[in-house]
Amino acid sequence: DAGVIQSPRHEVTEMGQEVTLRCKPISGHNSLFWYRQTMMRGLELLIYFNNNVPIDDSGMPEDRFSAKMPNASFSTLKIQPSEPRDSAVYFCASSFRRAFFGQGTRLTVV
Amino acid sequence: AQKVTQAQTEISVVEKEDVTLDCVYETRDTTYYLFWYKQPPSGELVFLIRRNSFDEQNEISGRYSWNFQKSTSSFNFTITASQVVDSAVYFCALLETQGGSEKLVFGKGTKLTVNP
Repeated sequence: DAGVIQSPRHEVTEMGQEVTLRCKPISGHNSLFWYRQTMMRGLELLIYFNNNVPIDDSGMPEDRFSAKMPNASFSTLKIQPSEPRDSAVYFCASSFRRAFFGQGTRLTVV
Repeated sequence: AQKVTQAQTEISVVEKEDVTLDCVYETRDTTYYLFWYKQPPSGELVFLIRRNSFDEQNEISGRYSWNFQKSTSSFNFTITASQVVDSAVYFCALLETQGGSEKLVFGKGTKLTVNP
């Protein structure tokens, strides 16, 4: 198995643009998590899914953030419109009793 | 309420010293899992260990050892004879199983610097 795959690895965008981060979880894992990591806040859980259903999105900072999981092998995290304070590393993880992380997407909004 | 507390924000030691990273957790679940992850400067999150709530045996893996004590809700991590390559941010995490779904919450991490 290739592990959790995130794309892109790096994204630089202008303020106001839409950004879409993608994640392919490990096959057979029934839970998927999106985290944001910044120096100030550490690793924040944004949202998690179980069997493709969003369970808890209380960590999503604003309505500008949305996440979907249309099937068991794909999830997206969208920011529209993006702002400079969204700059962070975004991690996706999938889990079945143990969480595996993707390499992360480093987002820079200028 | 914070579910996973890593009170030590930063620790600095000299090579070959032993160092213990503290982790205290909070949960109402009877079945849960505890983890330690390492994040080296390269940025990836590396799994180190998983412990389930029913197994309080301490574990040793090379220079790493973990002490799980349910009575104090702690899951501490000790590195013996530290090395420069151990320099990283270490995260403790709690996986709760709620109604069949899983929620993984992290502490804020402890940055360990091992100086030569």
